[in-house]
Amino acid sequence: NAGVTQTPKFQVLKTGQSMTLQCAQDMNHNSMYWYRQDPGMGLRLIYYSASEGTTDKGEVPNGYNVSRLNKREFSLRLESAAPSQTSVYFCASSGDIGQETQYFGPGTRLLVL
Amino acid sequence: QKEVEQNSGPLSVPEGAIASLNCTYSDRGSQSFFWYRQYSGKSPELIMFIYSNGDKEDGRFTAQLNKASQYVSLLIRDSQPSDSATYLCALRNGGSYIPTFGRGTSLIVHP
Repeated sequence: NAGVTQTPKFQVLKTGQSMTLQCAQDMNHNSMYWYRQDPGMGLRLIYYSASEGTTDKGEVPNGYNVSRLNKREFSLRLESAAPSQTSVYFCASSGDIGQETQYFGPGTRLLVL
Repeated sequence: QKEVEQNSGPLSVPEGAIASLNCTYSDRGSQSFFWYRQYSGKSPELIMFIYSNGDKEDGRFTAQLNKASQYVSLLIRDSQPSDSATYLCALRNGGSYIPTFGRGTSLIVHP
């Protein structure tokens, strides 16, 4: 049981390049989330997906897009990376109300030059 | 705007002491409260959750919730150097499954 997995673990991009961060969970969870974490800023929600086929914006969605490919997978895409997107990105998943603990992936460390 | 306030710290305590971490919140509709621990360079992991006013104990950890005063605390008894981490408070409004996180409190337990 792997829980929540993320790829890649670390990535360096140049300004303007694009990339997709991958996330998968094997806990049969309905809800999945993408967060970014910057020093002193805590966890900020980028996008979330309540269930397969639905996605919604979180607190800081600008510059990002997401795809809920199926129940297991939820990807985050940066179309044109900017230095302000240098951060650590965490994917998380949770079950329904009453099973609401969030389980986090190991994170992706992104550096945009 | 849902706000969750935590003192960023660092909170420094000697080994064996009780560490007290506090979190205040503004949304009176908050119903579920969580404490996550995050080691440096790692992802957050759940320590405890609490839904009802009062205390909830799990081993060396005790969560305390006071909805009237809008605060939730985490007590760590017999603190160990391995408890050194950042502790994130999170809460969820009854009408949403999206939690709101505080910025975390850094705890240092020195031998």
